[in-house]
Amino acid sequence: SQTIHQWPATLVQPVGSPLSLECTVEGTSNPNLYWYRQAAGRGLQLLFYSVGIGQISSEVPQNLSASRPQDRQFILSSKKLLLSDSGFYLCAWSVRGSGVRATEAFFGQGTRLTVV
Amino acid sequence: AQSVTQPDIHITVSEGASLELRCNYSYGATPYLFWYVQSPGQGLQLLLKYFSGDTLVQGIKGFEAEFKRSQSSFNLRKPSVHWSDAAEYFCAVGAPTGFQKLVFGTGTRLLVSP
Repeated sequence: SQTIHQWPATLVQPVGSPLSLECTVEGTSNPNLYWYRQAAGRGLQLLFYSVGIGQISSEVPQNLSASRPQDRQFILSSKKLLLSDSGFYLCAWSVRGSGVRATEAFFGQGTRLTVV
Repeated sequence: AQSVTQPDIHITVSEGASLELRCNYSYGATPYLFWYVQSPGQGLQLLLKYFSGDTLVQGIKGFEAEFKRSQSSFNLRKPSVHWSDAAEYFCAVGAPTGFQKLVFGTGTRLLVSP
């Protein structure tokens, strides 16, 4: 069966410090990968998605970046955190391709980031 | 582009009472529709999904949802709420064509009173 791991679960970082959140998927190959951010009262906002190694698409302009160095690894980064980067970050995957199976997303447990 | 509206930010239901969470979507054709549940500090778990066919879909934990094309709605229901159902619920829409990514509503927080 497929599993998705996301770490750390909680992170407190000072303003201006770097960030690296990691997500890995097991039990599947060539997944689509996603980073979402959840801010209070604003639902889930798609930040980045990737259809393959080294292929990253950004949905919104921001202080963050994403990378996919391996097929099942997705990393969210920042060089200098802002207070507004605080939130709950969720990694997700879906089956590659088109149609119904490719639309259903499976989520990790999330990382609570607090920038102080 | 697709969008989702969940008009209720919070809902309080007595344990044992029925529940209906509202979801309205905007999309030019029949979309893929999902309901997810999120317990505090956790990721999202899929409750149910609609792609085509029967407009009443059954999900896990006794939930069901009905797709109504004329109202652009996909409301979530449960006949008898349990205290463990207290969580945040998200409706999401996906497009049947193009890159498959989900657009989420802002969520509805369900509180269950004894």
